[in-house]
Amino acid sequence: GAGVSQTPSNKVTEKGKYVELRCDPISGHTALYWYRQSLGQGPEFLIYFQGTGAADDSGLPNDRFFAVRPEGSVSTLKIQRTERGDSAVYLCASSSSKSSYNEQFFGPGTRLTVL
Amino acid sequence: GIQVEQSPPDLILQEGANSTLRCNFSDSVNNLQWFHQNPWGQLINLFYIPSGTKQNGRLSATTVATERYSLLYISSSQTTDSGVYFCAVESGGSYIPTFGRGTSLIVHP
Repeated sequence: GAGVSQTPSNKVTEKGKYVELRCDPISGHTALYWYRQSLGQGPEFLIYFQGTGAADDSGLPNDRFFAVRPEGSVSTLKIQRTERGDSAVYLCASSSSKSSYNEQFFGPGTRLTVL
Repeated sequence: GIQVEQSPPDLILQEGANSTLRCNFSDSVNNLQWFHQNPWGQLINLFYIPSGTKQNGRLSATTVATERYSLLYISSSQTTDSGVYFCAVESGGSYIPTFGRGTSLIVHP
């Protein structure tokens, strides 16, 4: 497909467990973003990749959250020792990031529920 | 950081009505996007509009960067327009967008 895809669409886990969320960006897009969205709120920035490197991870809430993008395409968001407060929809977006043009395209999200 | 305020927070319309959604921001911006989040949660790009006016069918948007606001116009609203409309801005050369809290729109048949 031509759009951003995310897997799984839903993830239910128990408090204290480890989870991985995957994002496949639009082919050729060099920039990739992770966001978290809670009910009634706008998306909240977590981390931004330009190619393989994390250009800005200032939005990660604590060291339980980590993300990688080893080959500059697919990215994985990893959450250790999950807490109930981590429950939210995790969104991924990509952009071609050419010059100052930074139109972002979003995936459908992964709904994470921590019991 | 930049502040983004959207108004109104909630809007209820009868099918066929027109509406204007507003996005105010506290600093100069280099990028601005409008999104529609449908009831299934998917964020759909509406406009990439750091300045000027664009139209796409029943929707149009205007950004007046010097006065720090953007407007989204929906004409002849349809039930499928229901959902939450978000404005997202980037400022200061940053590639990190800041989202407003959205306008929740319900269109009744």
